[in-house]
Amino acid sequence: AQKVTQAQTEISVVEKEDVTLDCVYETRDTTYYLFWYKQPPSGELVFLIRRNSFDEQNEISGRYSWNFQKSTSSFNFTITASQVVDSAVYFCALGAGGTSYGKLTFGQGTILTVHP
Amino acid sequence: EPEVTQTPSHQVTQMGQEVILRCVPISNHLYFYWYRQILGQKVEFLVSFYNNEISEKSEIFDDQFSVERPDGSNFTLKIRSTKLEDSAMYFCASSGGQEYNEQFFGPGTRLTVL
Repeated sequence: AQKVTQAQTEISVVEKEDVTLDCVYETRDTTYYLFWYKQPPSGELVFLIRRNSFDEQNEISGRYSWNFQKSTSSFNFTITASQVVDSAVYFCALGAGGTSYGKLTFGQGTILTVHP
Repeated sequence: EPEVTQTPSHQVTQMGQEVILRCVPISNHLYFYWYRQILGQKVEFLVSFYNNEISEKSEIFDDQFSVERPDGSNFTLKIRSTKLEDSAMYFCASSGGQEYNEQFFGPGTRLTVL
């Protein structure tokens, strides 16, 4: 069975601070994908990144960066110089192999509040 | 940019009534999904659909739920006899021709069962 744990329920920071959202996953599959989604107050799910299990290179996209460490089954997400518009719920998700056709298992989500 | 659309955005119904939630996936996508999110909780997988049949379903997806792709463009989720605990946001998603492609989510339908 797949499991995703986001231990941080809520994080509150002041604008321009850096913030890291933690994600730990469990799977028995050797091939899998990891995702981060953003859910702003309007409720939609916005895709941020996909990372496959064979690629442990860290990725940076503007103020966003992701650190994938297979050895610790973690896929952490860092926002540099946070902004008020970053306030949202962030979900880490796992897409596992086999015949799951890409079923995603989501973590509980981390509520990020960025104060001006 | 292509997007997944869902109607209605908000549905209010009485307990025991049937509801149909509608989704229009991205046109060239092959895999379709329904997820739900009870208020304040995580997003949970309900069902995946490929080649006109269910690929996988979760424990949540019991006999009161059904999915259909009636006309090659719409993808529907039917709840036959709604319960209070069915109140949630329901998200439709679609993905391209490969198993691990990014899933594009629709804006969701908020279902309220009274």
